[in-house]
Amino acid sequence: GAVVSQHPSWVICKSGTSVKIECRSLDFQATTMFWYRQFPKQSLMLMATSNEGSKATYEQGVEKDKFLINHASLTLSTLTVTSAHPEDSSFYICSAREDLRNEKLFFGSGTQLSVL
Amino acid sequence: AQSVTQLGSHVSVSEGALVLLRCNYSSSVPPYLFWYVQYPNQGLQLLLKYTTGATLVKGINGFEAEFKKSETSFHLTKPSAHMSDAAEYFCAVSPMIYNQGGKLIFGQGTELSVKP
Repeated sequence: GAVVSQHPSWVICKSGTSVKIECRSLDFQATTMFWYRQFPKQSLMLMATSNEGSKATYEQGVEKDKFLINHASLTLSTLTVTSAHPEDSSFYICSAREDLRNEKLFFGSGTQLSVL
Repeated sequence: AQSVTQLGSHVSVSEGALVLLRCNYSSSVPPYLFWYVQYPNQGLQLLLKYTTGATLVKGINGFEAEFKKSETSFHLTKPSAHMSDAAEYFCAVSPMIYNQGGKLIFGQGTELSVKP
C-alpha cells in the first residue's frame, strides 16, 4: 500500500532555531499534503493544506510566517518551524492525498518536536 | 462548519468483550466519516470510512461502524476485544465536497485499554 515517510521522527532544538520536517510520498504522487499538530492527550488540529506548486493555505490562527510550508514536488512537502519556542513543542503529522477524492489519504508517522 | 465529539476520552474493556467507541458529528453538508487508530509513537492508520452507500461499514481488524444520519452518529464497534486493540482511536469528518477531501476535522480521541 501507499506509504508516507516523515522525517525526522523526533527532534530536540534550542529556542530560537529553525527546524525542518519532511514528508514524502514514496510510491504515489501527492497532489495535496496536509500538516497537523497534536498536543499531548489532544486531537489533531489541521494547520495547513499544501498543494504542489502553489502557496499553502493556512487554517485560522496558524502563523504562516512561523510555519513555512513548501510543496515543491509531487512527492515532497516540508514544514519549517522558524524561530522555534517551547510552546511550539508538539507532535506534527503530515498526510498526503493521492487524488482529488479523499478516499486515498495516507498519514506519516509523525515528528515529535521538543524546543528547549 | 463541521465538528466531531467523541464521548469518553478513555474506555476500558476486558479481552473478549464488546468494544463500543462513540462518535457524534455535526456538519452543514453531507459528510465523509472516518475512524483512525494511532498506536504509540506512530502515525494514524485508517480503520474504516463511510462515503456513500451502505451505512454499515466494515473495516480492518474486525471493526465496523454504522452511519446513522438521524442520530448524527458514527459509533465504532468490535464484537470481541483483543489485547492488540489497545490504542488511541480518532473519529474524523470531512465535507463531501469536491476537492475538499483530506481536510479532516478530528474528534478528541478515545484511548482504549484492554484488560486480560
